Amino acid sequence: AQSVTQLGSHVSVSEGALVLLRCNYSSSVPPYLFWYVQYPNQGLQLLLKYTSAATLVKGINGFEAEFKKSETSFHLTKPSAHMSDAAEYFCAVVLISGTYKYIFGTGTRLKVLA
Amino acid sequence: DGGITQSPKYLFRKEGQNVTLSCEQNLNHDAMYWYRQDPGQGLRLIYYSQIVNDFQKGDIAEGYSVSREKKESFPLTVTSAQKNPTAFYLCASSTPPPGDNTEAFFGQGTRLTVV
Repeated sequence: AQSVTQLGSHVSVSEGALVLLRCNYSSSVPPYLFWYVQYPNQGLQLLLKYTSAATLVKGINGFEAEFKKSETSFHLTKPSAHMSDAAEYFCAVVLISGTYKYIFGTGTRLKVLA
Repeated sequence: DGGITQSPKYLFRKEGQNVTLSCEQNLNHDAMYWYRQDPGQGLRLIYYSQIVNDFQKGDIAEGYSVSREKKESFPLTVTSAQKNPTAFYLCASSTPPPGDNTEAFFGQGTRLTVV
């Protein structure tokens, strides 16, 4: 069965510093991987996704992620944090065959310090 | 604009009462999902449906029921059998993989409080 693990339920960075949110996946078949962002009391918004085209994926708001099969990782990065990046971030996986269940990690809450 | 509409945004119910959460999409997606969100636990899958008139249990289906009579609609009923129903509920829809258009779209959620 597929799963994702997000290391660090809370991450704090200073404004202007590098953002690194970690996601590792487990899957017996090639997966599609996603990062979503959630602001308080709202739904989830897609940041970026890996669908086997390019391993380095660029998303909205300056975020990017790199799919590393050898490390089973899909970490999210942003070179310079902005106050508006403060939110909760979720990594998700879906298999490209069989049942189309999206499995989510437990989330990482990002705090940006002025 | 295409999207997913969940209603109501806030819902209060007395303990022991059944309650139905609405989810409608106009994205022409075959697959729809219901997730429950609790602090620190991420999103947990309640039910999902890949086609009209068919649905499958997710990881935490006990105490919930769904129907999928129309492609656009996937209502969730929280029954009195659900031990701890107070939570934030999210509905989603998607096109099935594979393909570069694969992604799940989410509604704005319904916060259910049972008193």
